[in-house]
Amino acid sequence: QAVVTQEPSLTVSPGGTVTLTCASSTGPVTSGHYPYWFQQKPGQAPTALIYDTGNKHSWTPARFSGSLLGGKAALILSGAQPEDEAEYYCLLSYTGAWVFGGGTKLTVL
Amino acid sequence: EVQLVESGGGLVQPGGSLRLSCAASGFTFSSYWMHWVRRGPGKGPVWVSRINSYGSSTIYADSVKGRFTISRDNAKNTLYLQMNSLRVDDTAVYYCVRRDFDSWGQGTLVTVSS
Repeated sequence: QAVVTQEPSLTVSPGGTVTLTCASSTGPVTSGHYPYWFQQKPGQAPTALIYDTGNKHSWTPARFSGSLLGGKAALILSGAQPEDEAEYYCLLSYTGAWVFGGGTKLTVL
Repeated sequence: EVQLVESGGGLVQPGGSLRLSCAASGFTFSSYWMHWVRRGPGKGPVWVSRINSYGSSTIYADSVKGRFTISRDNAKNTLYLQMNSLRVDDTAVYYCVRRDFDSWGQGTLVTVSS
C-alpha cells in the first residue's frame, strides 16, 4: 500500500503564511488522487477543510487554500491565526482505497 | 442535521471479534457511500474500509483485509463493521464517515488486550 508523507511539524508566526505538503510514494500527486486536507484538534474528530485538491467546504476559513505544487498536494495557510494551531492530515485516493498522511503538527508562535 | 452515531466498541481479547454499528440520520443514507476510519492512541487517522451505496462494492486497507467486513442495511439506515481475528494494533477509536469525509461520528473505542 502507498505511503503518504507530510512534514512532521511546522511553525508559523501569527499573520504569516505557511505551506504544508503531501507526497506519495508512488510518484507525483495528481488531481486523480483527489487530495483532501483535514484539521484535527485534541479530542475531536477530523474536520475536512479541502477536497478534490482545492475545493473548500462552506465552513472552511478563507485563509486556507489547496493546490498541487511540485508533484505534491499543498495546503496553504495565509494569515495564520492562533486557533489554526492543530494537526493537519492529507488524504489521497488510490483507485478506490484511501491513505492518510502521517500528519503535520502546526504551531502558531 | 447529519448525525452519525457509532456503537459496539469495547474490550476484547486478541483473536476475538466485535461488530460495530453506525446509525445514520439527517440525510438520505441509501444514496451515500460510507467509510470507516480509525485512530489509534497517539496516532493519526487510518482509512479502514469503504462501501458503495448499494452494499455491492467494498474495499479495504491492506491491514484489515480478510479480517474485517463492511456492510450496510439501508432499510435501517445503519452501517456495520464486523471485525474478526482482532489484534492489539487494531486498538483505536473507530469513526463512521460519510462519502466525502464531510461528516464524522463521535467514534467508538475498541480496545484489544489480554
